[in-house]
This record gives sequence, C-alpha cells and structure tokens, in this order.
Amino acid sequence: QQQVKQSPQSLIVQKGGISIINCAYENTAFDYFPWYQQFPGKGPALLIAIRPDVSEKKEGRFTISFNKSAKQFSLHIMDSQPGDSATYFCAIPEGQNFVFGPGTRLSVLP
Amino acid sequence: DTEVTQTPKHLVMGMTNKKSLKCEQHMGHRAMYWYKQKAKKPPELMFVYSYEKLSINESVPSRFSPECPNSSLLNLHLHALQPEDSALYLCASSRGLVGEKLFFGSGTQLSVL
Repeated sequence: QQQVKQSPQSLIVQKGGISIINCAYENTAFDYFPWYQQFPGKGPALLIAIRPDVSEKKEGRFTISFNKSAKQFSLHIMDSQPGDSATYFCAIPEGQNFVFGPGTRLSVLP
Repeated sequence: DTEVTQTPKHLVMGMTNKKSLKCEQHMGHRAMYWYKQKAKKPPELMFVYSYEKLSINESVPSRFSPECPNSSLLNLHLHALQPEDSALYLCASSRGLVGEKLFFGSGTQLSVL
C-alpha cells in the first residue's frame, strides 16, 4: 500500500479566507482523484473529484488543481465559512480500494 | 435514494459478547465495503464485497466476520472483541470497484469494554 501525504495536518482560517490543502501520492494506475469531507460523528462524503484530462475543476467555492507530473493535487476552498470546519481527506485509487491521506483538520473562525 | 444506512449508531459491548453491525443501500451498487476508523485517523479498509462475493479481506482478525446476504445488505458480525477494536465502523458502497465514488454511511461508534 502506498504512502499518501497530506499537508497541512491542521489549518485555521478566518471566515472569508482561502483554505488550501495539498495531497501527494506515489503512483496510481487510475485516473480519479477525490477529496472527501468528514464532519464529527459522520461518515466521509465526496466533496469534489477530478479526472486528469483537465488540470483544474471548480464546483462553487471548491476547486481541485491537479499536477500529474508532480503526482500532486490540491483542494482550494474560497470564501471559507465556519460550516466548512471539518476534516478533509484526499484519496488515491489502488486496486479495488482507495488509500486515504492522513487528513487535514480545518477550522474556520467566525 | 442516495443513502447508506447503518445500524446501530452506537454500540457498547463486552469482550465476551456477540453483536452484529448492519448496513443497507438501495442504489443498486454492486460493491460494498467495511472500513474501520480510529479517532483522528483516516478510514482503513477491512473488507470488500463485489457482486455479493468477498473480494478483499485486509488480513482482518477472525473475530470480525463479514456477511453479504444480498446486493443491498452487508453485515459485520463481532465476537470476542478487544478494547483496541473500539472505533467508528463505516460501511460504504460504490457502483463499481475501480475509480468510482464511494458513498459512506454515518457509521457505528463501537466501544468494547
């Protein structure tokens, strides 16, 4: 099982600010890169995902940027809101599974 | 219906008890998963069922026994657990096995005394 690295481990942002979380992987044979959002006491939920026929995908305030040569992708949250406070996991497809990054705990201050 | 439903939401059991966790989805998904998640850690895969057949067993101790009675249901039978097995147990489903969106349930928070 490969190592998936995520940074930062935790992030504190003021309301209205930009949150940026990075993910780096070793290799994958599949072209699907998701970010999952998890609130306390809930299961993870897919937030946004990209297939790298494009380098960037935007859905509302959330954007994924993908750098295939560097084996990295990032999540940008624009105009961060207190309701975005959660743990964010990137995930890399591996065989019949996903390997999840260690997670980034985001706190957005009001 | 895009939900994965897990019951119970909370479970406290002794080390000699037998209990079962249940998971249900009605999205027509053919892959179902059990994950274990410790506090402040990512989910870790335990089992994968594909078309109701066990596809992956990630070297999970035999005190955890999965069962897939039909394409909509997934059970996890628990017996003689240890306190270190206390965790959030997540069920997930997906349309297929490779590069498909995972739909997670809310999990069962298990405490083993």
